[in-house]
Amino acid sequence: EAGVAQSPRYKIIEKRQSVAFWCNPISGHATLYWYQQILGQGPKLLIQFQNNGVVDDSQLPKDRFSAERLKGVDSTLKIQPAKLEDSAVYLCASRPPGQGAGETQYFGPGTRLLVL
Amino acid sequence: DAKTTQPTSMDCAEGRAANLPCNHSTISGNEYVYWYRQIHSQGPQYIIHGLKNNETNEMASLIITEDRKSSTLILPHATLRDTAVYYCIVRSPNYGGSQGNLIFGKGTKLSVKP
Repeated sequence: EAGVAQSPRYKIIEKRQSVAFWCNPISGHATLYWYQQILGQGPKLLIQFQNNGVVDDSQLPKDRFSAERLKGVDSTLKIQPAKLEDSAVYLCASRPPGQGAGETQYFGPGTRLLVL
Repeated sequence: DAKTTQPTSMDCAEGRAANLPCNHSTISGNEYVYWYRQIHSQGPQYIIHGLKNNETNEMASLIITEDRKSSTLILPHATLRDTAVYYCIVRSPNYGGSQGNLIFGKGTKLSVKP
């Protein structure tokens, strides 16, 4: 089965510019996550979707970050305007339906963002 | 915050077993221990998980102490391709909502050397 797809893989922008990342989860996975991974640290959850609804966005800096999953499949994460500290890898993950311990997350390759 | 403590880095000789320790002294009775790894420039990859019994799959073995306060991930015959950051995560069963989400620490950087 195809994995989680993300694009672009790399992006370089200047501070105060805008940027958007795209994620296509594994088919049939209702739950989708966006993580931010700063160099040398583990991934940090930004937002979780269940179908097209937001479950948890408590760690999302809402003054500059936004995310949507309009049709419950693909998702986009946007940063506007970007700051230097937003330089990181942005990971998308999806999880199959079910509520047991065995339903784990599958991660995409990530988008590496550099803000100059 | 992550509920686990792991060494920052470890080395292992190729072909030998790699034993990665993890402390989770505040684990609750219904929380699972999960292991993920992240190879350079890739997303994290699920390895194995367990509750209280030892577990084995095609990738690794997970040994959980009887008091469940610590565990060890064992890669029986490490190869160069096992060089990665290994994350030990304590996770609630997913009852819906944001429960059961993964909280990553900094992990252990395992270097497998020829």
